[in-house]
Amino acid sequence: DIVMTQSPFSLAVSEGEMVTINCKSSQSLLSSGNQKNYLAWYQQKPGQSPKLLIYYASTRQSGVPDRFIGSGSGTDFTLTISDVQAEDLADYYCLQHYSYPLTFGSGTKLEIK
Amino acid sequence: EVQLVESGGGLVQPGRSLKLSCVASGFTFNNYWMTWTRQAPGKGLEWVASITNTGGSTYYLDSVKGRFTISRDNAKSTLYLQMNSLRSEDTATYYCTRDGATVDAWGQGASVTVSS
Repeated sequence: DIVMTQSPFSLAVSEGEMVTINCKSSQSLLSSGNQKNYLAWYQQKPGQSPKLLIYYASTRQSGVPDRFIGSGSGTDFTLTISDVQAEDLADYYCLQHYSYPLTFGSGTKLEIK
Repeated sequence: EVQLVESGGGLVQPGRSLKLSCVASGFTFNNYWMTWTRQAPGKGLEWVASITNTGGSTYYLDSVKGRFTISRDNAKSTLYLQMNSLRSEDTATYYCTRDGATVDAWGQGASVTVSS
């Protein structure tokens, strides 16, 4: 099974600041067939279902603000949120969908100071 | 608009069974693989099971293999999760999700509590 190691566990920032959340996989998520990284990022606001932000490591889902940026390849991935807004208060998870069983990172709680 | 609506959750005793349903709308159901993902209270997300668009192949988390069965009825645009021999550690909110390029749509979740 692919293990996803996500960091940090939590962070607190002020509005307007930038945050980075990291996810490391125990094996490469890069497909040799199509050169796509099978890594997605989700946002889960309190009391809500998760929402897809980024897929293929860097493709933003339709309707997601461009302050959410996904990067990385192979085994190391980053979600960057620039100009953090109060509405970004949430838990964030990475997911590898390269192989079964699909596995999530442990989550990062973003708090707004 | 993609909609996934789960039902069938509730309180059940250890060792008993429960069947979740998920009615899909807003997309062509039989074009998509589907997945159940769960979240224990205060915990992270955990993939449970997936099924191909035809229902011909299924995939399971090791801890539910042999106890849970994922299935679908494409004529009714409905996904199911039959859960047998339930354990306390199965207590969670169960989300029905659509698999596009990735897990790209989520239902509101069905709460399952396993307790005596």
